[in-house]
Amino acid sequence: GAVVSQHPSRVICKSGTSVKIECRSLDFQATTMFWYRQFPKQSLMLMATSNEGSKATYEQGVEKDKFLINHASLTLSTLTVTSAHPEDSSFYICSAVSKGYEQYFGPGTRLTVT
Amino acid sequence: DAKTTQPPSMDCAEGRAANLPCNHSTISGNEYVYWYRQIHSQGPQYIIHGLKNNETNEMASLIITEDRKSSTLILPHATLRDTAVYYCIVRNLGNTGKLIFGQGTTLQVKP
Repeated sequence: GAVVSQHPSRVICKSGTSVKIECRSLDFQATTMFWYRQFPKQSLMLMATSNEGSKATYEQGVEKDKFLINHASLTLSTLTVTSAHPEDSSFYICSAVSKGYEQYFGPGTRLTVT
Repeated sequence: DAKTTQPPSMDCAEGRAANLPCNHSTISGNEYVYWYRQIHSQGPQYIIHGLKNNETNEMASLIITEDRKSSTLILPHATLRDTAVYYCIVRNLGNTGKLIFGQGTTLQVKP
């Protein structure tokens, strides 16, 4: 099946710094990718839709200036958490949509802000 | 908001069939029923999807009622590795068809 990777798998950063998370579709092209966030013992919450070559669409309540999304190619989307704070500590998951409209998920990135 | 309702948790004995129910009474004609599962600290894994006919693959079977207002995911011979949170989601198949996750059902397979 289609493979989506994320890098890094885990990251620890200090409060006030920025961290970038990469999402790659390894064996297919994805014009659309999605970013989710998941807090402990909770479900996945959709943050934004990332479209190749255009601006991301953010869900209500998600700060676009804090969570910068770039989808510069058909196989790569990045999420940058700017000026991270401890409350941004979470599990961030991306998914990529194939030509057949199926969504494939990455393994997730565990962000800890100290 | 999620458009599905699932029981929060279920237990199943190893080797037995696990039947996970889902209600989606407001599903529209162009929406599919998707099932994903998430094993602890991993990304969701696709299981199966269907529109109105019953579906079967190597992982599971999906039974959709005739009025499409509910469905059941069947894992025919549950193993300990099937312990996970199972999500039932309704979705348009188009490129912008977002997956909105509800709380899912935590399935605990016991020896």
